Amino acid sequence: DTGVSQNPRHKITKRGQNVTFRCDPISEHNRLYWYRQTLGQGPEFLTYFQNEAQLEKSRLLSDRFSAERPKGSFSTLEIQRTEQGDSAMYLCASSPLAGPYNEQFFGPGTRLTVL
Amino acid sequence: SQQGEEDPQALSIQEGENATMNCSYKTSINNLQWYRQNSGRGLVHLILIRSNEREKHSGRLRVTLDTSKKSSSLLITASRAADTASYFCACGNQGGKLIFGQGTELSVKP
Repeated sequence: DTGVSQNPRHKITKRGQNVTFRCDPISEHNRLYWYRQTLGQGPEFLTYFQNEAQLEKSRLLSDRFSAERPKGSFSTLEIQRTEQGDSAMYLCASSPLAGPYNEQFFGPGTRLTVL
Repeated sequence: SQQGEEDPQALSIQEGENATMNCSYKTSINNLQWYRQNSGRGLVHLILIRSNEREKHSGRLRVTLDTSKKSSSLLITASRAADTASYFCACGNQGGKLIFGQGTELSVKP
């Protein structure tokens, strides 16, 4: 299967711990996006990369959040000192071309629960 | 913050009926896209309409866009139980990021 994959699928952690999620995009896609979705809401944009460059970060991405895409392939999203408000589904998506007229291919998401 | 507002928030219909979902947005867009999400899963792209287009069809889907009213609608004809899901509109702008609405939860009863 060559779709977008995310690991882990589920993560339960205690408040104050650090967590890291991984996203593997479709191999030829040079754009990669992170979104966060809480129950009953639509996804909210967090950040995106074109190749290894992080081009935009949402104000939602506090300084406890950091994302990387070191070689322009997979990406990681780290949350430091987790808070209960960080509990959400974290979605990764990729798209093949630069520009606005492209569909995004989403992974299954990582569901984070902060106790 | 989210750009799109969807109406209704929930819709329940019988199999075979048509389902219409509406989306309103606030600022200018390059395109508007519709996605489907089955419970607890990732999103699946359904259809994209560019800002200079007014209507688009794909199978049982029909999307309209009225940029003067900043609104779009998604029509699913001859619905099936398998269409049960949440449907989201998403506004596309420069850079390609998507700004999603809150979604419409569609339930199609067999």
